[in-house]
Amino acid sequence: GENVEQHPSTLSVQEGDSAVIKCTYSDSASNYFPWYKQELGKRPQLIIDIRSNVGEKKDQRIAVTLNKTAKHFSLHITETQPEDSAVYFCAASRGANYGGSQGNLIFGKGTKLSVKP
Amino acid sequence: DGGITQSPKYLFRKEGQNVTLSCEQNLNHDAMYWYRQDPGQGLRLIYYSQIVNDFQKGDIAEGYSVSREKKESFPLTVTSAQKNPTAFYLCASSTRQEAFFGQGTRLTVV
Repeated sequence: GENVEQHPSTLSVQEGDSAVIKCTYSDSASNYFPWYKQELGKRPQLIIDIRSNVGEKKDQRIAVTLNKTAKHFSLHITETQPEDSAVYFCAASRGANYGGSQGNLIFGKGTKLSVKP
Repeated sequence: DGGITQSPKYLFRKEGQNVTLSCEQNLNHDAMYWYRQDPGQGLRLIYYSQIVNDFQKGDIAEGYSVSREKKESFPLTVTSAQKNPTAFYLCASSTRQEAFFGQGTRLTVV
């Protein structure tokens, strides 16, 4: 089955710096890669996703890149702010192109990002 | 607020007792999931269901059981066979596009 590795487990940056979180996956059939943000005491929420037919996607200060050959994808946050402090989870699934219900989302172990003012 | 509701928010269980966590969604999603979250362990899949009356074991199913009699409901029972049940439990439902999480249930064995 799919295995998703996420690094680093903790990341501390100064406000205004960039943060990069990397994930690798094992199943070459995976084609959908979302990123979730979990603020303290709250549920994880989707912040950005990418599908295997796209190499990069941006949404304001966040971007995700995908390298299908190497089977890794990364989250990039620029101009970090204290409110970016949270746990970030990457995930992978086969669900993007499968008919019917979503393929199972397999999550990485999470990265705790701390942005220091 | 996402249309998926978990209850209760906090739950205390005595050793040797079974306890059931509720998960209800009104999003008309076929797929539902239960995850366990421990500090430093991320999200680990316990059980999942992609259609009514069908469910599959995830990575850490031992000591847990589920049912999927209705599309809207996917309750999780933590049995006395689960050796270390104290954790934060998250339920989710999904389309092909996105997973929506409940607010979670924090289970403590006392």
